[in-house]
Amino acid sequence: DTAVSQTPKYLVTQMGNDKSIKCEQNLGHDTMYWYKQDSKKFLKIMFSYNNKELIINETVPNRFSPKSPDKAHLNLHINSLELGDSAVYFCASSQASVIGDYNEQFFGPGTRLTVL
Amino acid sequence: AQSVTQPDIHITVSEGASLELRCNYSYGATPYLFWYVQSPGQGLQLLLKYFSGDTLVQGIKGFEAEFKRSQSSFNLRKPSVHWSDAAEYFCAVAPVTGNQFYFGTGTSLTVIP
Repeated sequence: DTAVSQTPKYLVTQMGNDKSIKCEQNLGHDTMYWYKQDSKKFLKIMFSYNNKELIINETVPNRFSPKSPDKAHLNLHINSLELGDSAVYFCASSQASVIGDYNEQFFGPGTRLTVL
Repeated sequence: AQSVTQPDIHITVSEGASLELRCNYSYGATPYLFWYVQSPGQGLQLLLKYFSGDTLVQGIKGFEAEFKRSQSSFNLRKPSVHWSDAAEYFCAVAPVTGNQFYFGTGTSLTVIP
């Protein structure tokens, strides 16, 4: 059973297009995340949702819009794709954190986005 | 500002040799500490984590890490490396409050026969 799944695994598209990446978790977690991993393997958080509400929104262009239809899904929509958006995007989930009781994050397999 | 440093970008070891991957953090208080492994083309898998208590933490696949408060370090070790350990290793920290991770830049491990 896949705990955190992402589709598609690979995405190749032209500059200027709009694309979406889907993420689903079957762990019953309350919190979901999107990370971007650049060509140098640097991982940076983009967004975090808790029970469908945005709780972390790092400095990300507003071309990126996360959407959480329910707490098991967090999709990432990207408008007007640019060359610099090429990266691997990872979805993750965790139980809602309680002070003094941190819960680990479980990662999906990643989506490799290539913008031509 | 919080930061995580992995000073070694790439390490090569022989199969059967011991391994130590370095991780230093800069944070106002002792954060929660993690090591993740990323195999080629795969997502991240948690190896081990430190929240409190015993400073020597055991993880999966024979890995362990030691938290040293005085050095702000959380180095990952394995006594005998296997070829299947070749991967990218990430150290991460998280504040005691909240649920945001900060990852290091990763250390790429190559294992030679």
